[in-house]
Amino acid sequence: EAQVTQNPRYLITVTGKKLTVTCSQNMNHEYMSWYRQDPGLGLRQIYYSMNVEVTDKGDVPEGYKVSRKEKRNFPLILESPSPNQTSLYFCASSLSGQGMNSPLHFGNGTRLTVT
Amino acid sequence: AQSVTQLGSHVSVSEGALVLLRCNYSSSVPPYLFWYVQYPNQGLQLLLKYTTGATLVKGINGFEAEFKKSETSFHLTKPSAHMSDAAEYFCAVKHSSYKLIFGSGTRLLVRP
Repeated sequence: EAQVTQNPRYLITVTGKKLTVTCSQNMNHEYMSWYRQDPGLGLRQIYYSMNVEVTDKGDVPEGYKVSRKEKRNFPLILESPSPNQTSLYFCASSLSGQGMNSPLHFGNGTRLTVT
Repeated sequence: AQSVTQLGSHVSVSEGALVLLRCNYSSSVPPYLFWYVQYPNQGLQLLLKYTTGATLVKGINGFEAEFKKSETSFHLTKPSAHMSDAAEYFCAVKHSSYKLIFGSGTRLLVRP
């Protein structure tokens, strides 16, 4: 089954404790992206990757890191999480960019709470 | 710069009633517009998209949207709401090849 898999689904951590949220897709998609969803703000893009070893900042990259060493994986790293990073995070992928014929496929989300 | 405004964070309709979710956009170039739906505890899925051509776009689950350039709108409609339509709906405009701008979302409640 074609899917985007995120882990974990739920995570509670403390301020400053490094964490990684994993994302993997099995559709051989070139493009991958991370979003955070907050009430009243919709989805905001954190980082995206056009292909292996090619990443770029989205609208809210501060406090996050990403890497794209393999096509299928795109982990999101929080080196020193803070409470304002408490949010619902989504990984998404598409065949190539977000063009007309490349709809985004989303994972089921990771709900992160930083205390 | 592109932006999206969704009017109404919550919309409540009775089962069988018309669904109308509003979306207005601003874009300096011909827009590509999308509606995504998010069911509880799930990620978003594409409902429909407008790129070029026919301005009335049909999507999944009986939804459709009409692109109106003069009104800069892309409202989502469904003639008859079903309980299973209860979800959050996001309008989005393509900003570049690698970026979508999402609206703040509208939660649709369907009353029995």
